[in-house]
Amino acid sequence: QVQLVQSGAEVKKPGASVKVSCKTSGYTFTGYYMHWVRQAPGQGLEWMGWINPNSGGTNYAQKFQGRVTMSRDTSISTGYMELSRLRSDDTAVYYCARDIHAYIVATTLDYWGQGTLVTVSS
Amino acid sequence: DIQMTQSPSSLSASVGDRVTITCRASQSISSYLNWYQQKPGKAPKLLIYAASSLQSGVPSRFSGSGSGTDFTLTISSLQPEDFATYYCQQSYRTGTFGQGTKLEIK
Repeated sequence: QVQLVQSGAEVKKPGASVKVSCKTSGYTFTGYYMHWVRQAPGQGLEWMGWINPNSGGTNYAQKFQGRVTMSRDTSISTGYMELSRLRSDDTAVYYCARDIHAYIVATTLDYWGQGTLVTVSS
Repeated sequence: DIQMTQSPSSLSASVGDRVTITCRASQSISSYLNWYQQKPGKAPKLLIYAASSLQSGVPSRFSGSGSGTDFTLTISSLQPEDFATYYCQQSYRTGTFGQGTKLEIK
């Protein structure tokens, strides 16, 4: 069965960086785009961008360009999202999610990780 | 950027009710519209994609319609497990979500 398992909660100081991992199983990792979505406490969902695990190509939401880096390690079927220059309003649960169709980007998310809480506090 | 606006922001209903949630896009997105359900402390779950296609395993009481800028999610007969927050998402260009609609028990 398809599974996305994320790394554990993080506490970071303002100005630091955080790197969240998303280990996948149950499907061909390089066949499906991986997206990252975040949710601040009590707030809605915010799409951050995607990575093509096959080519490594990325597309980031304008809001995060220059601060976010999405990467992958195909040898262990794992995707990563790194966010730099953290601010208090980056405190959120960060989700990885798989795109629904193989080999194309549809930005339609059918399988999700369990979420990783990142807390930014001095 | 394409903006997505849901209405209402919250809704009270009873088991067995028929419920409709609306989502409006700031520009035409054809049928590139998805609906998700989220329960507290859980990841979102895909219900409807491409405006009207039911995701595998989702009960048939959920349905979606619309195209262009106006879309609806309908739950034909509310069940206890349907009380949750619902989000629309455009997939025409990037992946903007609506602000959510919280469905509560009356």
